[in-house]
Amino acid sequence: DIVLTQSPVLAVSLGQRATISCRASQSVSISSINLMHWYQQKPGQQPKLLIYRASNLASGIPARFSGSGSGTDFTLTIDPVQADDIAAYYCQQSRESPNTFGAGTKLELK
Amino acid sequence: EVQLQQSGAELVKPGASVKLSCKTSGYTFSNYYMSWLKQMPGQNIEWIGNIYGGNGGTGYNQKFKGKATLTVDKSSSTAYMDLSSLTSEDSAVYFCARGTKTYWYFDFWGPGTMVTVSS
Repeated sequence: DIVLTQSPVLAVSLGQRATISCRASQSVSISSINLMHWYQQKPGQQPKLLIYRASNLASGIPARFSGSGSGTDFTLTIDPVQADDIAAYYCQQSRESPNTFGAGTKLELK
Repeated sequence: EVQLQQSGAELVKPGASVKLSCKTSGYTFSNYYMSWLKQMPGQNIEWIGNIYGGNGGTGYNQKFKGKATLTVDKSSSTAYMDLSSLTSEDSAVYFCARGTKTYWYFDFWGPGTMVTVSS
């Protein structure tokens, strides 16, 4: 299975930029298609799709969220961070079955 | 509006089975896959498997073969997951999530069903 590695915690100040990384144990890209996706999960809620195929904003998601990367290294950026963004963020790969998720990065306030 | 409505929390005894449901609305059920995912408290999200609403074709994570069985009822646009021979390791929240056909991400999620296995 493809292993996705995320830092467990990121502390940021409101109004600053948050950069959350996800590294895959092998490439999750096919040609120019990057099969990495990002989700936000708040306590007691289901995950919400933020970014699909590495850089495409899901419907209804604010433009302060963006994604980038290819191959094995991907980044989710939140700029500027707002209070409502305090949550856990998970990356997910769909390059190979089974789909796998990173262990999540908890975004905390400094 | 796409909606996924999951069945209520379950408290089951070790060794028993449980059937979870995910009733959908707001889209054409037969055109999409439905995945089931497991999240233990404070833990990672694991993909269990998926089922195609059109023909009931399934795909499973090897880890969950023999543990989970996925079915659909097209007439009610509902997906089901049977979990068998339950142990404490099966205590978790189980989500259903609509999967896109092409790139296999999950664009809509149900609120989750908490399953607690305890004697």
